Amino acid sequence: AQTVTQSQPEMSVQEAETVTLSCTYDTSESDYYLFWYKQPPSRQMILVIRQEAYKQQNATENRFSVNFQKAAKSFSLKISDSQLGDAAMYFCAREKSSGNTPLVFGKGTRLSVIA
Amino acid sequence: GAGVSQTPSNKVTEKGKYVELRCDPISGHTALYWYRQSLGQGPEFLIYFQGTGAADDSGLPNDRFFAVRPEGSVSTLKIQRTERGDSAVYLCASSSGGLPGELFFGEGSRLTVL
Repeated sequence: AQTVTQSQPEMSVQEAETVTLSCTYDTSESDYYLFWYKQPPSRQMILVIRQEAYKQQNATENRFSVNFQKAAKSFSLKISDSQLGDAAMYFCAREKSSGNTPLVFGKGTRLSVIA
Repeated sequence: GAGVSQTPSNKVTEKGKYVELRCDPISGHTALYWYRQSLGQGPEFLIYFQGTGAADDSGLPNDRFFAVRPEGSVSTLKIQRTERGDSAVYLCASSSGGLPGELFFGEGSRLTVL
């Protein structure tokens, strides 16, 4: 079974500091996409960042960046200069199989931001 | 609105009743997904439509669950003979099929089965 594992149920960070959320996954494919989604209390999931396994360069979107270690099947999310609005559930995900298919999500990490 | 709309936002029903949950995707999005999110868990895939047809329904837990998308736009998730274990938030997402994984989610329908 394809799994996505987030080992940190909860994390907290001081405002303006940096935090890293961990994710590991299972796959037998060579090319695939990985994602981080954010779910605020409104429940509406929002795509934060996307990484293609084919690309060695880590993806970056403003204050959000990833550390993608393909051999280790690790895909962590780094949030720099944390803001109060970053407080949410964060879900790591991958495609069920290659080719724009449904996503398989981890159990999530609840991030609290302390003012 | 321009986003994915789900109705009702909350539904309370009794065990054994029939329930319908509706999803109105972003106009023009050909792909539509249903997920179920139980308390403290990540979204669990149920079914995926490409146009009017179900491209993948492997996540439907049993034959009490059924979904349709007759005109390739609005979709309805139908649950027969509801059980307490069906209580969850049901999320709908749509996609234009462009960038992989770029799903646009609604705010979900919270189903409570008493």
